[in-house]
Amino acid sequence: GDSVTQMEGPVTLSEEAFLTINCTYTATGYPSLFWYVQYPGEGLQLLLKATKADDKGSNKGFEATYRKETTSFHLEKGSVQVSDSAVYFCALSSFTGGGNKLTFGTGTQLKVEL
Amino acid sequence: DAGVIQSPRHEVTEMGQEVTLRCKPISGHNSLFWYRQTMMRGLELLIYFNNNVPIDDSGMPEDRFSAKMPNASFSTLKIQPSEPRDSAVYFCASSQLQAPAGNTIYFGEGSWLTVV
Repeated sequence: GDSVTQMEGPVTLSEEAFLTINCTYTATGYPSLFWYVQYPGEGLQLLLKATKADDKGSNKGFEATYRKETTSFHLEKGSVQVSDSAVYFCALSSFTGGGNKLTFGTGTQLKVEL
Repeated sequence: DAGVIQSPRHEVTEMGQEVTLRCKPISGHNSLFWYRQTMMRGLELLIYFNNNVPIDDSGMPEDRFSAKMPNASFSTLKIQPSEPRDSAVYFCASSQLQAPAGNTIYFGEGSWLTVV
C-alpha cells in the first residue's frame, strides 16, 4: 500500500538558517504530493503541492520538487523565521477505489529560535 | 469563503457517554474525510465518503465508531460508548472528487475530544 516516510523531529534551527525536511514515498500508480503545516492548536493547512514528476511546489519561501526517480519530495526553505515553528506533514494522494485520499507521514516538528 | 466547519471544537465527556462530532464540508465539495490525530499514532484516516456514499471505512477502529453523511452538506462521526483511549483530535476534511489525485483536501480546525 501507499506510505510516506519523513524525518523525525524535532528539528531545532536558529532564525535565518536553511531548512530541509526529508520525505520519501511508496505508492502504486502516479500520486500527487503535498506538504501540509499545522500550527499549535489549529488544523492542517496546505503549504504546497506537486502533481507530476519534476514539478516544483512553492509557497511562503518553501519549496519542494517531485522527484520520481528517487521517490522523494523534500521540503526546503532558505531562511526560516520564528513564525515557521510548526509541525510539517508530507502526504501523498492517490486515486484508488473510486476516490482520492491522503496518506500522511508522521510529521516533523520544527522549532525556530532567535 | 467558509472553510470546513466542525463542531464542537472542544468536548470533555465521561467514559461510556455518547459523543457526536459534526462537520459541514466546503460547498461544492463531494468528497469528505474523517481523520483522527493522536501523539502515538499520528494522523489516521477513519472513513471517507464520495457523493455522500461511504467508500472506505477500514480505518474505523471499532464498532463503537460510526459515521454518516445524510446529505452533501453534513456529516457526523459518533462514538458510543466512548472510552478514554478515544481521546484525540478528530479532523473533518473535504475536497472535490477528481482523477488524477491532484485536488487539495481542506481540513477543518478539528474537534478536540477528551474522555475521562
